[in-house]
Amino acid sequence: NAGVMQNPRHLVRRRGQEARLRCSPMKGHSHVYWYRQLPEEGLKFMVYLQKENIIDESGMPKERFSAEFPKEGPSILRIQQVVRGDSAAYFCASSPPTSGIEAFFGQGTRLTVV
Amino acid sequence: GNSVTQMEGPVTLSEEAFLTINCTYTATGYPSLFWYVQYPGEGLQLLLKATKADDKGSNKGFEATYRKETTSFHLEKGSVQVSDSAVYFCALTSSGGSYIPTFGRGTSLIVHP
Repeated sequence: NAGVMQNPRHLVRRRGQEARLRCSPMKGHSHVYWYRQLPEEGLKFMVYLQKENIIDESGMPKERFSAEFPKEGPSILRIQQVVRGDSAAYFCASSPPTSGIEAFFGQGTRLTVV
Repeated sequence: GNSVTQMEGPVTLSEEAFLTINCTYTATGYPSLFWYVQYPGEGLQLLLKATKADDKGSNKGFEATYRKETTSFHLEKGSVQVSDSAVYFCALTSSGGSYIPTFGRGTSLIVHP
């Protein structure tokens, strides 16, 4: 059973471009979470999705950021018109719909905006 | 809402020293508690967990006991190694409606030979 797969591992974008980060959850997991980690800081929750539904996006910036988890295919975190402050590591985690079960993390995508 | 508070780092120890990293929480419902470890350039890996009061999670010499009366889940290891150098995150998920894992800020551990 493959783990949570994120790609790309590293992404470089120029200011103003779009960044698209992909996450394939573990098999059988219907819950996906996205977190952002800045250097020397902890994990900041961004968004919680289930298939075709955004459950909680309270941590998402109001502009330029969006996320989806379609019926088929990976979850996508999209950042439009990137700025230098978007440079960070973005982690995806998934879990089954059962309380008490830990979330499993991907290796992360390290976004650098130049 | 849910929250997790960890002691600030970095924690710097010599090899074979005793480790404690404090973690306290507030949560709705009956939370499950977790410790994750992050090595440089990697994602988070589950280290141990406890799902009900008085449970003790353990793995690779690390232990933590779910203390409901003090709302704590402190991480301990009797003898640390250089290879334990990493960032440790305390986390919880709550049965009170949301599955969203809530994390502490992380504690960096540096172990010197």
